[in-house]
Amino acid sequence: QPVLTQSSSASASLGSSVKLTCTLSSGHSSYIIAWHQQQPGKAPRYLMKLEGSGSYNKGSGVPDRFSGSSSGADRYLTISNLQSEDEADYYCETWDSNTRVFGGGTKLTVL
Amino acid sequence: EVQLVQSGAEVKKPGESLKISCKGSGYSFTSYWIGWVRQMPGKGLEWMGIIYPGDSDTRYSPSFQGQVTISADKSISTAYLQWSSLKASDTAMYYCARLSATSYIWGQGTLVTVSS
Repeated sequence: QPVLTQSSSASASLGSSVKLTCTLSSGHSSYIIAWHQQQPGKAPRYLMKLEGSGSYNKGSGVPDRFSGSSSGADRYLTISNLQSEDEADYYCETWDSNTRVFGGGTKLTVL
Repeated sequence: EVQLVQSGAEVKKPGESLKISCKGSGYSFTSYWIGWVRQMPGKGLEWMGIIYPGDSDTRYSPSFQGQVTISADKSISTAYLQWSSLKASDTAMYYCARLSATSYIWGQGTLVTVSS
């Protein structure tokens, strides 16, 4: 089954940009993933689905500041013009016919 | 508006049974998979399993197979997560989510506390 690897933490300054990475395990580099945001004390929120080609589809109401891209087994979430409300945990997720898995999550701190 | 509304917080003792719910509205309940996700205190998200209410096709993650039961009642657009004998380690926030090709809808979560 696929495994997703994320850095445990990241930080960036207010108004700057940050690129979070999610890496698919060997043999699963073509998989589609989803990105979810979880603000402190809240339920997760769907951000987007991201294909290996780099094509992505965002959820309703997700700001234009959020974008996705891909390179090989790596899937990226880029947040530009960081706002204080972007401080959250970010999880990637993937699936196949038998299972669904999340990455361990990246805690983003906005300085 | 498409939404999932989950049942309220529960406090139970070890060994007790529990069934929590997730009610869908604003869409065709039988046409989308619904999944359950566990989040233990201070930890990440874990998939427990998914169900297709249209035909009750249910798939469990290996870690949760035999530990919980996922079901759905399409007549009242509600999915369930059930334990027959709770353990202290079941203490967690539980989320339901509607899955689709284009987006997910998340419930607000149900906090389950198991303590003697």
